[in-house]
Amino acid sequence: DAGITQSPRHKVTETGTPVTLRCHQTENHRYMYWYRQDPGHGLRLIHYSYGVKDTDKGEVSDGYSVSRSKTEDFLLTLESATSSQTSVYFCAISGTGVGTEAFFGQGTRLTVV
Amino acid sequence: TQLLEQSPQFLSIQEGENLTVYCNSSSVFSSLQWYRQEPGEGPVLLVTVVTGGEVKKLKRLTFQFGDARKDSSLHITAAQPGDTGLYLCAGARWGGSQGNLIFGKGTKLSVKP
Repeated sequence: DAGITQSPRHKVTETGTPVTLRCHQTENHRYMYWYRQDPGHGLRLIHYSYGVKDTDKGEVSDGYSVSRSKTEDFLLTLESATSSQTSVYFCAISGTGVGTEAFFGQGTRLTVV
Repeated sequence: TQLLEQSPQFLSIQEGENLTVYCNSSSVFSSLQWYRQEPGEGPVLLVTVVTGGEVKKLKRLTFQFGDARKDSSLHITAAQPGDTGLYLCAGARWGGSQGNLIFGKGTKLSVKP
């Protein structure tokens, strides 16, 4: 199994509070992604990173920010959590080249009350 | 914008039946991947197809990449309850953000004994 760890696995937080989710990899892969998964919407890309300090927005980036200060860590921050951000969040990593595959973490279930 | 359309969205069949899941797009991809996701887990890669017209087999699963590299299908022969899960296709795009994968919304398969 690819070395990718998400923390925490579960979190309940109140509306308006900041939340940070962490993704840690031991594979030295260049690309890291944050997705959210909701019923009826499938996997939607929030932000991704193509190197240290190199990040870009995905499909649903509003209300989220990311940081990547080291190859192995990719942080997702909800500056002020809202109920619409209740979801399951997945981190993924991938290498480069045609046919590159993504490896996923086990997910973080976030509930905003 | 949903670049990858999967159909059907839901599929419930009896053990022993055959089924086909489709993944269609108007965009051309450098490669296309199929993942399976079980409840509470992250998606896990089943196969990557790279060449237009390519067919790959994984036991009872047959994957095909369209000649124009815009679509793919997954065929399962003699489905078993262990095949139950969410099947996701993902296309990798050339250029720009290399390594960026676009996911379909998935097909939720239920195989009843």
